[in-house]
Amino acid sequence: DAMVIQNPRYQVTQFGKPVTLSCSQTLNHNVMYWYQQKSSQAPKLLFHYYDKDFNNEADTPDNFQSRRPNTSFCFLDIRSPGLGDAAMYLCATRDPPGEQYFGPGTRLTVT
Amino acid sequence: GQQLNQSPQSMFIQEGEDVSMNCTSSSIFNTWLWYKQDPGEGPVLLIALYKAGELTSNGRLTAQFGITRKDSFLNISASIPSDVGIYFCAGREAGSSNTGKLIFGQGTTLQVKP
Repeated sequence: DAMVIQNPRYQVTQFGKPVTLSCSQTLNHNVMYWYQQKSSQAPKLLFHYYDKDFNNEADTPDNFQSRRPNTSFCFLDIRSPGLGDAAMYLCATRDPPGEQYFGPGTRLTVT
Repeated sequence: GQQLNQSPQSMFIQEGEDVSMNCTSSSIFNTWLWYKQDPGEGPVLLIALYKAGELTSNGRLTAQFGITRKDSFLNISASIPSDVGIYFCAGREAGSSNTGKLIFGQGTTLQVKP
């Protein structure tokens, strides 16, 4: 089945140790999004790609970077994770004018 | 940034009861969406609304796009235990049609007692 896949589902990293989260899609959607969601809160958009065009939200910390090497894959790099970066990270895709289709998320723990 | 005001924040109901939740915005939206999120999973789209006044059903779920374009509600009829989860409203302004950027409500946590 066509879907949005996030790997790993659970990631533990040490304070300050770079970590990469992965998202892949078989939907061939043009747009890919990365969200951060903390407990009991709404998803917060970090950035998105429209094809290769990168769009950063104004309040996304520099600590967060993203790469999209091709249509299918998008990565979230956290350069120096802090305790406050522990959260669920959600990837979503969209084929305009359709709506956003979310992956299952990666739960990041920072020790 | 802009936020939607979603209420209630949480609900604890008996199985079989009907549920209603709503969202309001200070700005006009051209799209309203309702998502459900189960624990440890990503949000799943339940209903999408694109016209003021539109009333759309998906099984036991019914949602409406307010005529002022600044609000929406979601009703769940005859709740069952698997309705448990967090329900998010999300809106899109006309200027965000290309990016698809959504503004989310704070969520309504629903618990159903069998």
